[in-house]
Order: sequence, then C-alpha cells, then structure tokens
Amino acid sequence: SQQGEEDPQALSIQEGENATMNCSYKTSINNLQWYRQNSGRGLVHLILIRSNEREKHSGRLRVTLDTSKKSSSLLITASRAADTASYFCATDATGGSYIPTFGRGTSLIVHP
Amino acid sequence: KAGVTQTPRYLIKTRGQQVTLSCSPISGHRSVSWYQQTPGQGLQFLFEYFSETQRNKGNFPGRFSGRQFSNSRSEMNVSTLELGDSALYLCASSSGQRKETQYFGPGTRLLVL
Repeated sequence: SQQGEEDPQALSIQEGENATMNCSYKTSINNLQWYRQNSGRGLVHLILIRSNEREKHSGRLRVTLDTSKKSSSLLITASRAADTASYFCATDATGGSYIPTFGRGTSLIVHP
Repeated sequence: KAGVTQTPRYLIKTRGQQVTLSCSPISGHRSVSWYQQTPGQGLQFLFEYFSETQRNKGNFPGRFSGRQFSNSRSEMNVSTLELGDSALYLCASSSGQRKETQYFGPGTRLLVL
C-alpha cells in the first residue's frame, strides 16, 4: 500500500496562478521529501522537510508539514509553463530500515 | 559532479527473455536503489544496495535481482520477462548511511512484447 498519497491527482491552472498539492501519509516519519518528474524522465529532488520542521521555503516553493494530521502540502507560487510535471511526495517512516515510499503523484499542467 | 547515469535508455524485449540494466551513481555515493514505475502501480521500490550488499528489498518476485560492484555501479536483472514488466526503471543514488536525498537517473524504459 502507498504510504504517501498526493491530492489532487491532477491539477490544471494558468500561468501566474499558485498551485497547491497535498500529501497524506499513514505512519510516523523522520522526514518527507517532494520530487518533480517531467514526462517519462527521472525524478528531481525539490525539498526535504524533517519531522520537527513545520515549514520550508525554496525559491517559489513552500512546503508545510503537519505531523498531527500526517499531511504535507507543496505550494508553487507564480507558476510557469515549465512547472508542468508530476509531483511526488516520499516519506521516510520511523523505525526499521529506510524504504522510501512514494505516492502516485499529482499531475500539474500549467497553461501559458 | 556528473549525475546518475543509466544504460540503456530504451529497451525492447520479448516475453521469456532476460534483461540487464545498469546504473552508475554519483561519484562518492555508496547507496543505489532501484524503482519500477508503471501507470497502474506508480513508483515501487525494488531494492537497495549499499557497499555491495543488498540492504533493503521491496515486494517483487525473485525474477528481479541486482548487484553492486566495488565502484558502486549497480546492475539489475529481470529474468523470464513478462508483459507486465514493461515499465520505466529508475535508479537513485545517495550518500552516507542515512539515505535522505536521493538523486535519480533518467531511467530505462523497458517494453516487453
């Protein structure tokens, strides 16, 4: 079963708008990461947020983490056509060996 | 530093054949993980190698195997290919004992006919 589940599955917006996608997970985590994947290519690491952090910024990206709700959100501000991609969250569960689990991703389309 | 490289990038095989995929991690990285990505199942963890030893394994049949060499390069092998093995196979490398940030290669797209 998937540890992380992104929501929505698909998002279509206009250039300049903000895009928000969410990730929910089931068990306690050490950290949570967001990745981007352009069509049929490898994943690119965007940002890592640790379990003791609540918010993190990187350029136009803002990630929040709410461990009480077991959820995270990724906000892309002032989106561009080049942001069109699939976005995945990956969680590192506490305890045992580290096997990262990815959600199914949010497919973002930004229309120019 | 050069990124993670995977060869070949595309591959077409027929059912019953076997295939070997290769991954060269970022220089200095000792951990290499393999993933299978399909539209239906998403991104699924196959296995991880660290210092030539398989450290973690996902829930895949024994037809899927791998190994890591002393230079950290890794190969994965799939024997007796099935149509359902058609997928994008991604490898990722990371540094240190605790795997936090993984750096992914471009993937090998395998089509089984």
